[in-house]
Amino acid sequence: LAKTTQPISMDSYEGQEVNITCSHNNIATNDYITWYQQFPSQGPRFIIQGYKTKVTNEVASLFIPADRKSSTLSLPRVSLSDTAVYYCLVGEPGGSYIPTFGRGTSLIVHP
Amino acid sequence: GAGVSQSPRYKVAKRGQDVALRCDPISGHVSLFWYQQALGQGPEFLTYFQNEAQLDKSGLPSDRFFAERPEGSVSTLKIQRTQQEDSAVYLCASSLESGDEQYFGPGTRLTVT
Repeated sequence: LAKTTQPISMDSYEGQEVNITCSHNNIATNDYITWYQQFPSQGPRFIIQGYKTKVTNEVASLFIPADRKSSTLSLPRVSLSDTAVYYCLVGEPGGSYIPTFGRGTSLIVHP
Repeated sequence: GAGVSQSPRYKVAKRGQDVALRCDPISGHVSLFWYQQALGQGPEFLTYFQNEAQLDKSGLPSDRFFAERPEGSVSTLKIQRTQQEDSAVYLCASSLESGDEQYFGPGTRLTVT
């Protein structure tokens, strides 16, 4: 099972771009990378998923280098409401995929 | 349509009591997961169902924990003889298929006194 490592916390200011990097050196060939966001007193919410290169949706972008040993979640122009914990998960869809969340990265956006 | 719902949202139990936590997944979702989340930690996997079959229960911390999904929809997580260390938020998530995007419920906060 691929282990992930991400910073415990990050601080930013409104309007800035935030990049959160996750290391997953042991990622397997069929593994996908998925990011979730969690607000206090709520369950996690899916943000984005990718396999390689770049994926973009209305919320974020996900950059994955060719070796896939890391990935970067990019949040453009953050606002106070982006203050949350962000989790990086690695696993193979289907089969015996057991999601492992870890402690995540606590992002605090300041005014 | 409606998302994943869980009940009760809050539960206070005296040590030694049994509790039952309910999860209503999104209709049609095959996969259902239970997680335990302690304060300041990420969700930790407890067990996983595909339809009514419990395919993995390796995360259940002890034999006091039991989960079922008899008709492949609603699931119940039961904790017998609760202990203080069981105090946590219990999250339920469902997905269309295993490995797909998971939709989480709001969780049940269990406090054992």
